[in-house]
Amino acid sequence: RKEVEQDPGPFNVPEGATVAFNCTYSNSASQSFFWYRQDCRKEPKLLMSVYSSGNEDGRFTAQLNRASQYISLLIRDSKLSDSATYLCVVLVYNQGGKLIFGQGTELSVKP
Amino acid sequence: EAQVTQNPRYLITVTGKKLTVTCSQNMNHEYMSWYRQDPGLGLRQIYYSMNVEVTDKGDVPEGYKVSRKEKRNFPLILESPSPNQTSLYFCASSLIPSPGQGVSGANVLTFGAGSRLTVL
Repeated sequence: RKEVEQDPGPFNVPEGATVAFNCTYSNSASQSFFWYRQDCRKEPKLLMSVYSSGNEDGRFTAQLNRASQYISLLIRDSKLSDSATYLCVVLVYNQGGKLIFGQGTELSVKP
Repeated sequence: EAQVTQNPRYLITVTGKKLTVTCSQNMNHEYMSWYRQDPGLGLRQIYYSMNVEVTDKGDVPEGYKVSRKEKRNFPLILESPSPNQTSLYFCASSLIPSPGQGVSGANVLTFGAGSRLTVL
């Protein structure tokens, strides 16, 4: 079983739709959680960190459920420019601060 | 501008011909890491370094070497490249990862633009 698992998609949604991605992690020593965004053939860039209480940044909402070991990303009012791959990233500190990446979920927003 | 610079960005080589992919960061980061990205497998860590002269294996270190003689540089060396090393490679850096830092910056990786390597 992979340490961090995501549905690879692709998720094909119309503009204006709300879309949610889930990510599960297996290591209970996981300490910090992030969502990165990667555009085609480009480097990943931090989208947002995920706080225990959940956090929002504009149209993006991230949530963490430690008991069930999953994190989620909700995108409201999807834009064409949201089309990208979204990577779930987990920091496992008992491995010397190792960042573990999910394989990514591809989102395609259509007009 | 704060950045991680990788070179070359694109390279086609032949089996067995030694090559080095350079990585340099200007943010005074202690932590540097190399990843390879392959379809369906996501980003996999090759090697990482917590500081100068300190390097450790990641998940897929076979066939690779690294060195960290200076804080800003972390080259990836393929002594005898093989076709299964054809991939997209990313170098990344950050402050030392630590628990609970969240968005403060310590755990945020800055990636280079990537190096696409083809081994024939």
